Amino acid sequence: GNSVTQMEGPVTLSEEAFLTINCTYTATGYPSLFWYVQYPGEGLQLLLKATKADDKGSNKGFEATYRKETTSFHLEKGSVQVSDSAVYFCALSDPTYTGRRALTFGSGTRLQVQP
Amino acid sequence: EAQVTQNPRYLITVTGKKLTVTCSQNMNHEYMSWYRQDPGLGLRQIYYSMNVEVTDKGDVPEGYKVSRKEKRNFPLILESPSPNQTSLYFCASSLAEASPLHFGNGTRLTVT
Repeated sequence: GNSVTQMEGPVTLSEEAFLTINCTYTATGYPSLFWYVQYPGEGLQLLLKATKADDKGSNKGFEATYRKETTSFHLEKGSVQVSDSAVYFCALSDPTYTGRRALTFGSGTRLQVQP
Repeated sequence: EAQVTQNPRYLITVTGKKLTVTCSQNMNHEYMSWYRQDPGLGLRQIYYSMNVEVTDKGDVPEGYKVSRKEKRNFPLILESPSPNQTSLYFCASSLAEASPLHFGNGTRLTVT
């Protein structure tokens, strides 16, 4: 079956530090890949996505590149802010599930940014 | 404002007492889904619906029911809740299968 593996958290950084959150996946087909962000007390919001190999998704200074050869979709940001403190989920959508669109989520990585 | 609305936000109940968590979206989305979020397990899909009167099981459907009589509403029903259903529940919707999901703000359920 499909799976998504994220690095364990929490990740604690100082403001303006560089962020990397690792994500690797296994899938039977050619999935689309996503990063969702969950701020405290809220639901998940789509942060960025990539639908095919070598695509780069980007939003709000965050980037992730779909690497088929390493089955990875690592999230990066050059300079984090306190407001980026949240839980980040890597996810995939596998089109081989005919008639069913099920996102497979990673377990989430909590990011804490200190002033 | 485009949104997915869940109610209630918090619910404490006892084992065996039937409950319903409501979910409504105002975006005319065809696809809706329920997830539960548990520490260390990420989100797991409970049920989903591709359209009105079309529902199907997700990864963890046991102990849950859903219905989709109207496009905007997708309630989650626990006929006889048990403590292992204590969790944070999210409803989500999307315009179509390949579209991004919009999530509600969650319902934290405690079953004692």
